[in-house]
Amino acid sequence: NAGVMQNPRHLVRRRGQEARLRCSPMKGHSHVYWYRQLPEEGLKFMVYLQKENIIDESGMPKERFSAEFPKEGPSILRIQQVVRGDSAAYFCASSPAVQTVSGNTIYFGEGSWLTVV
Amino acid sequence: SQKIEQNSEALNIQEGKTATLTCNYTNYSPAYLQWYRQDPGRGPVFLLLIRENEKEKRKERLKVTFDTTLKQSLFHITASQPADSATYLCALLLNQAGTALIFGKGTTLSVSS
Repeated sequence: NAGVMQNPRHLVRRRGQEARLRCSPMKGHSHVYWYRQLPEEGLKFMVYLQKENIIDESGMPKERFSAEFPKEGPSILRIQQVVRGDSAAYFCASSPAVQTVSGNTIYFGEGSWLTVV
Repeated sequence: SQKIEQNSEALNIQEGKTATLTCNYTNYSPAYLQWYRQDPGRGPVFLLLIRENEKEKRKERLKVTFDTTLKQSLFHITASQPADSATYLCALLLNQAGTALIFGKGTTLSVSS
């Protein structure tokens, strides 16, 4: 039973280019979360999606960032016109149901490390 | 706004000793608190969840306490081993809808033999 799969694991982009990060949730999981971990910072929530719907994007920067989780295929986090400050580890997580106060566990992938040069 | 702090950035202990990590939070009354382990270059791995009505939770050599009056959780690793060396993160639900977690910055534990 494969875990949460993220690719690429490492990505280098020049300033102004686009970065696309992909996440395939665990089998049977329809809830996907994206988190960002900046150097020397804690994990920060970005967005929560269910199939074909963005449920909570309160942590997404207002510009250049977008996310989708289509009916078929992986979830995509897209960063347009990257800047040096976007350099970070981006983690995807999945769960079979939303966390709620009952505490459904979420499972993280190994992350995608973006470096902007 | 909610704030979560892990008091020590780094903790160094000798093998066999008990490691105790602290997580404090403010402006919040969480339904539960979680602890994760993160190794360098890897994603966080869930360890334990403790609910607001639970004082203590155990799993093998791990023990978590939760004091909602002090707004604090303590995470203990007994009989520590070098393989326990990692960064440990505490996390709370950011909102009642359950859509996001807020994480502390983590405490990096080093266990020397």
